[in-house]
Amino acid sequence: AQKVTQAQTEISVVEKEDVTLDCVYETRDTTYYLFWYKQPPSGELVFLIRRNSFDEQNEISGRYSWNFQKSTSSFNFTITASQVVDSAVYFCALSEPMEYGNKLVFGAGTILRVKS
Amino acid sequence: NAGVTQTPKFRILKIGQSMTLQCTQDMNHNYMYWYRQDPGMGLKLIYYSVGAGITDKGEVPNGYNVSRSTTEDFPLRLELAAPSQTSVYFCASSYSGGIYGYTFGSGTRLTVV
Repeated sequence: AQKVTQAQTEISVVEKEDVTLDCVYETRDTTYYLFWYKQPPSGELVFLIRRNSFDEQNEISGRYSWNFQKSTSSFNFTITASQVVDSAVYFCALSEPMEYGNKLVFGAGTILRVKS
Repeated sequence: NAGVTQTPKFRILKIGQSMTLQCTQDMNHNYMYWYRQDPGMGLKLIYYSVGAGITDKGEVPNGYNVSRSTTEDFPLRLELAAPSQTSVYFCASSYSGGIYGYTFGSGTRLTVV
Protein backbone atom coordinates (compact mmCIF):
# COMPACT_ATOMS: atom_id res chain seq x y z
CA ALA A 1 0.00 0.00 0.00
CA GLN A 2 1.00 3.57 -0.55
CA LYS A 3 2.57 5.51 2.27
CA VAL A 4 3.33 9.21 2.74
CA THR A 5 5.74 10.44 5.39
CA GLN A 6 5.95 14.01 6.53
CA ALA A 7 8.67 13.78 9.12
CA GLN A 8 8.40 17.39 10.27
CA THR A 9 5.56 17.56 12.76
CA GLU A 10 5.88 21.29 13.36
CA ILE A 11 8.07 24.08 12.00
CA SER A 12 8.35 27.61 13.33
CA VAL A 13 9.93 30.39 11.32
CA VAL A 14 10.10 34.14 11.44
CA GLU A 15 8.40 36.10 8.72
CA LYS A 16 10.45 36.47 5.51
CA GLU A 17 12.42 33.29 6.15
CA ASP A 18 12.34 30.54 3.53
CA VAL A 19 10.98 27.20 4.68
CA THR A 20 10.88 23.74 3.11
CA LEU A 21 8.31 21.11 4.01
CA ASP A 22 9.45 17.57 3.30
CA CYS A 23 7.36 14.78 1.84
CA VAL A 24 8.60 11.26 1.16
CA TYR A 25 6.36 8.65 -0.41
CA GLU A 26 6.30 4.91 -1.06
CA THR A 27 4.55 3.27 -3.98
CA ARG A 28 4.98 0.33 -6.31
CA ASP A 29 2.93 1.95 -9.04
CA THR A 30 4.61 3.47 -12.08
CA THR A 31 1.77 5.91 -12.61
CA TYR A 32 0.74 7.95 -9.63
CA TYR A 33 -0.19 11.46 -8.59
CA LEU A 34 1.12 13.65 -5.79
CA PHE A 35 -0.64 16.53 -4.13
CA TRP A 36 -0.19 19.25 -1.56
CA TYR A 37 -3.10 20.68 0.42
CA LYS A 38 -3.16 23.59 2.86
CA GLN A 39 -5.37 23.67 5.94
CA PRO A 40 -5.45 27.18 7.42
CA PRO A 41 -6.71 27.81 10.97
CA SER A 42 -10.25 28.13 9.63
CA GLY A 43 -10.13 24.40 8.92
CA GLU A 44 -10.94 23.99 5.24
CA LEU A 45 -8.64 22.02 2.93
CA VAL A 46 -7.26 24.01 0.02
CA PHE A 47 -5.70 22.35 -3.03
CA LEU A 48 -2.24 23.71 -3.87
CA ILE A 49 -0.71 21.48 -6.52
CA ARG A 50 -0.92 18.19 -8.37
CA ARG A 51 2.00 16.41 -10.03
CA ASN A 52 1.92 13.18 -12.02
CA SER A 53 4.72 10.65 -11.86
CA PHE A 54 5.91 11.34 -15.41
CA ASP A 55 6.45 15.04 -14.89
CA GLU A 56 9.53 15.75 -12.81
CA GLN A 57 9.73 19.41 -13.68
CA ASN A 58 9.85 21.65 -10.68
CA GLU A 59 7.01 24.10 -10.38
CA ILE A 60 6.90 27.64 -9.10
CA SER A 61 3.80 29.60 -8.26
CA GLY A 62 4.57 32.96 -6.73
CA ARG A 63 6.33 32.34 -3.41
CA TYR A 64 5.57 28.62 -3.58
CA SER A 65 7.74 26.05 -5.30
CA TRP A 66 7.75 22.27 -5.45
CA ASN A 67 10.65 19.90 -6.05
CA PHE A 68 9.70 16.43 -7.27
CA GLN A 69 12.48 13.83 -7.33
CA LYS A 70 11.53 10.27 -8.26
CA SER A 71 15.05 9.05 -7.44
CA THR A 72 14.51 9.86 -3.78
CA SER A 73 10.70 9.49 -3.78
CA SER A 74 10.32 13.01 -2.51
CA PHE A 75 7.97 15.87 -3.29
CA ASN A 76 9.12 18.80 -1.20
CA PHE A 77 7.41 22.15 -0.86
CA THR A 78 9.25 25.44 -0.35
CA ILE A 79 7.76 28.75 0.69
CA THR A 80 10.00 31.70 -0.06
CA ALA A 81 9.83 34.81 2.10
CA SER A 82 7.21 33.31 4.38
CA GLN A 83 4.33 35.40 5.65
CA VAL A 84 2.07 35.09 8.67
CA VAL A 85 -0.79 34.09 6.35
CA ASP A 86 1.21 30.97 5.43
CA SER A 87 0.62 29.63 8.94
CA ALA A 88 -1.35 26.42 8.44
CA VAL A 89 -1.16 22.66 8.40
CA TYR A 90 0.20 21.35 5.11
CA PHE A 91 -0.61 17.87 3.86
CA CYS A 92 1.15 15.88 1.20
CA ALA A 93 -0.94 13.17 -0.47
CA LEU A 94 -0.43 10.32 -2.93
CA SER A 95 -2.99 8.62 -5.15
CA GLU A 96 -3.66 4.93 -4.57
CA PRO A 97 -5.71 2.83 -6.98
CA MET A 98 -8.84 1.21 -5.57
CA GLU A 99 -11.28 -1.18 -7.17
CA TYR A 100 -12.98 1.89 -8.59
CA GLY A 101 -10.93 5.01 -9.17
CA ASN A 102 -8.29 6.26 -6.76
CA LYS A 103 -8.17 7.45 -3.22
CA LEU A 104 -5.71 9.90 -1.74
CA VAL A 105 -3.41 8.70 1.00
CA PHE A 106 -2.38 11.59 3.22
CA GLY A 107 0.68 12.21 5.30
CA ALA A 108 0.26 13.22 8.93
CA GLY A 109 0.73 16.88 8.06
CA THR A 110 3.24 19.55 9.01
CA ILE A 111 2.16 22.47 11.16
CA LEU A 112 3.83 25.65 9.95
CA ARG A 113 3.89 28.64 12.29
CA VAL A 114 5.14 31.91 10.85
CA LYS A 115 5.81 34.55 13.46
CA SER A 116 5.91 38.26 12.75
CA ASN B 1 -21.27 27.44 -7.28
CA ALA B 2 -21.58 25.92 -3.79
CA GLY B 3 -19.15 23.01 -4.34
CA VAL B 4 -19.31 20.51 -1.48
CA THR B 5 -21.58 21.41 1.42
CA GLN B 6 -21.41 19.68 4.78
CA THR B 7 -23.83 20.02 7.66
CA PRO B 8 -23.67 20.45 10.56
CA LYS B 9 -20.38 22.25 11.17
CA PHE B 10 -20.25 21.27 14.84
CA ARG B 11 -22.04 18.65 16.91
CA ILE B 12 -21.77 17.17 20.38
CA LEU B 13 -23.18 13.67 20.81
CA LYS B 14 -23.61 11.52 23.85
CA ILE B 15 -22.24 7.99 23.83
CA GLY B 16 -24.71 5.66 22.13
CA GLN B 17 -26.56 8.35 20.21
CA SER B 18 -26.91 8.27 16.46
CA MET B 19 -26.58 10.97 13.87
CA THR B 20 -26.15 11.57 10.17
CA LEU B 21 -23.55 13.87 8.71
CA GLN B 22 -24.88 15.39 5.51
CA CYS B 23 -22.84 15.99 2.37
CA THR B 24 -24.11 17.48 -0.89
CA GLN B 25 -22.22 18.47 -4.02
CA ASP B 26 -23.50 20.40 -7.02
CA MET B 27 -20.69 19.64 -9.48
CA ASN B 28 -22.17 16.41 -10.84
CA HIS B 29 -19.16 14.46 -9.59
CA ASN B 30 -19.53 10.70 -9.55
CA TYR B 31 -16.88 10.08 -6.90
CA MET B 32 -17.49 11.04 -3.30
CA TYR B 33 -15.52 10.29 -0.16
CA TRP B 34 -15.68 10.54 3.60
CA TYR B 35 -12.48 11.09 5.57
CA ARG B 36 -11.83 11.63 9.22
CA GLN B 37 -9.01 13.78 10.53
CA ASP B 38 -7.43 13.08 13.88
CA PRO B 39 -4.61 15.22 15.33
CA GLY B 40 -1.21 14.15 14.03
CA MET B 41 -2.73 11.37 11.93
CA GLY B 42 -3.60 13.02 8.66
CA LEU B 43 -6.84 12.04 6.96
CA LYS B 44 -8.13 8.48 6.85
CA LEU B 45 -10.70 7.23 4.35
CA ILE B 46 -13.92 5.92 5.90
CA TYR B 47 -16.10 5.16 2.86
CA TYR B 48 -16.27 6.17 -0.74
CA SER B 49 -18.74 6.01 -3.61
CA VAL B 50 -18.27 5.87 -7.37
CA GLY B 51 -21.84 6.74 -8.23
CA ALA B 52 -25.43 6.42 -7.13
CA GLY B 53 -26.01 3.01 -5.57
CA ILE B 54 -22.31 2.05 -5.37
CA THR B 55 -20.32 2.42 -2.16
CA ASP B 56 -17.31 0.70 -0.67
CA LYS B 57 -15.29 0.67 2.52
CA GLY B 58 -12.12 2.62 3.09
CA GLU B 59 -9.48 2.14 5.77
CA VAL B 60 -11.58 2.88 8.87
CA PRO B 61 -15.23 1.95 8.19
CA ASN B 62 -16.15 0.39 11.53
CA GLY B 63 -18.94 2.23 13.30
CA TYR B 64 -20.12 4.04 10.17
CA ASN B 65 -22.56 3.48 7.33
CA VAL B 66 -23.19 5.31 4.09
CA SER B 67 -25.70 5.39 1.29
CA ARG B 68 -25.72 7.03 -2.13
CA SER B 69 -29.18 7.30 -3.59
CA THR B 70 -28.43 10.32 -5.77
CA THR B 71 -25.33 11.75 -7.44
CA GLU B 72 -25.52 14.83 -5.23
CA ASP B 73 -25.84 13.36 -1.74
CA PHE B 74 -23.56 11.12 0.29
CA PRO B 75 -24.62 11.02 3.95
CA LEU B 76 -22.50 9.36 6.66
CA ARG B 77 -24.36 7.62 9.48
CA LEU B 78 -23.03 6.99 12.97
CA GLU B 79 -25.29 4.43 14.65
CA LEU B 80 -23.90 4.13 18.19
CA ALA B 81 -21.55 7.00 18.85
CA ALA B 82 -18.36 6.21 20.76
CA PRO B 83 -15.66 8.55 22.12
CA SER B 84 -13.27 7.11 19.50
CA GLN B 85 -15.42 8.76 16.85
CA THR B 86 -14.56 12.22 18.12
CA SER B 87 -12.91 13.74 15.08
CA VAL B 88 -13.24 16.20 12.24
CA TYR B 89 -15.05 14.69 9.27
CA PHE B 90 -14.50 15.82 5.71
CA CYS B 91 -16.58 14.99 2.71
CA ALA B 92 -14.99 15.32 -0.72
CA SER B 93 -15.91 14.81 -4.33
CA SER B 94 -14.04 14.24 -7.57
CA TYR B 95 -14.95 13.95 -11.24
CA SER B 96 -11.82 12.06 -12.14
CA GLY B 97 -11.69 9.26 -9.60
CA GLY B 98 -9.17 11.22 -7.57
CA ILE B 99 -6.34 11.67 -10.06
CA TYR B 100 -6.95 15.42 -10.19
CA GLY B 101 -7.49 15.64 -6.45
CA TYR B 102 -10.62 16.34 -4.50
CA THR B 103 -12.90 19.21 -3.73
CA PHE B 104 -13.45 19.16 0.02
CA GLY B 105 -16.31 20.36 2.14
CA SER B 106 -15.62 22.62 5.09
CA GLY B 107 -15.74 19.80 7.62
CA THR B 108 -17.85 18.71 10.59
CA ARG B 109 -16.31 18.77 14.06
CA LEU B 110 -17.89 15.98 16.10
CA THR B 111 -17.37 15.43 19.81
CA VAL B 112 -18.71 12.32 21.54
CA VAL B 113 -18.99 12.62 25.32
